[in-house]
Amino acid sequence: KAGVTQTPRYLIKTRGQQVTLSCSPISGHRSVSWYQQTPGQGLQFLFEYFSETQRNKGNFPGRFSGRQFSNSRSEMNVSTLELGDSALYLCASSLAAQGAGNTIYFGEGSWLTVV
Amino acid sequence: DQQVKQNSPSLSVQEGRISILNCDYTNSMFDYFLWYKKYPAEGPTFLISISSIKDKNEDGRFTVFLNKSAKHLSLHIVPSQPGDSAVYFCAARIEKLTFGTGTRLTIIP
Repeated sequence: KAGVTQTPRYLIKTRGQQVTLSCSPISGHRSVSWYQQTPGQGLQFLFEYFSETQRNKGNFPGRFSGRQFSNSRSEMNVSTLELGDSALYLCASSLAAQGAGNTIYFGEGSWLTVV
Repeated sequence: DQQVKQNSPSLSVQEGRISILNCDYTNSMFDYFLWYKKYPAEGPTFLISISSIKDKNEDGRFTVFLNKSAKHLSLHIVPSQPGDSAVYFCAARIEKLTFGTGTRLTIIP
C-alpha cells in the first residue's frame, strides 16, 4: 500500500513569493494534517483537514492556508514568503480525525528554502 | 507555550546497552501518547504508543512507560542497535497531536 506522498520534495523560493505544497494521503485515509519542522522547534502543528473541512488550526499567521479535496488529497499554501518560513513541511494522514485515536503516518516532507 | 518537552537534545549510548529517552508534559488532559523516530531526509515513522489508562506498553525492543502523576513519559530501547541512531519525537494528544522538540540518539558501536 502506497504511503503518504508529498510533492515537491525540494524547492527554493524568493521572499514575497507564494508556494503551494501537495499531499496525497494513504488510500482510504480521510484526515490530512500539516506540520512545520524547524531546527530546535520540533514539529509545529499547522492544521488538520477531515472530509474537506478544517478541524483544527495551529498558531500560524493567516499567510498559511490549506484545503482538502473530495479525494482526500490536500494542499497547503504559504503567501508572501518570509525567510523564517524556510523549513521542512510534513504532511500526515490517518483513517479518522486525530482526536479519534488513530495513529498518523507521515510523508517524507517538502523542504522549502526561502532566499 | 511548550506543552510537551524533551529536555535532552541529544543522547549517546553504547551498542547493546539500554537507551532511555524522556518526555515531560504539562497538560493532564492528554489521553494518548506516541513516539516517532526520524531519520535525516525522511518523514517521522511511528514507533509505539500508550493510552493514558495504561502505565506500560511493550513492542519488541521498545517499551514506553507513562507516569501520569509526574506527567512523564519515557521510551526504553534494549538492546540498542546502530540502526536506532535517529531523532526521536514524543507526542501527546487531546484533539490533535502536540510534539516535543526531539532527542537525537546516537548509538556508538
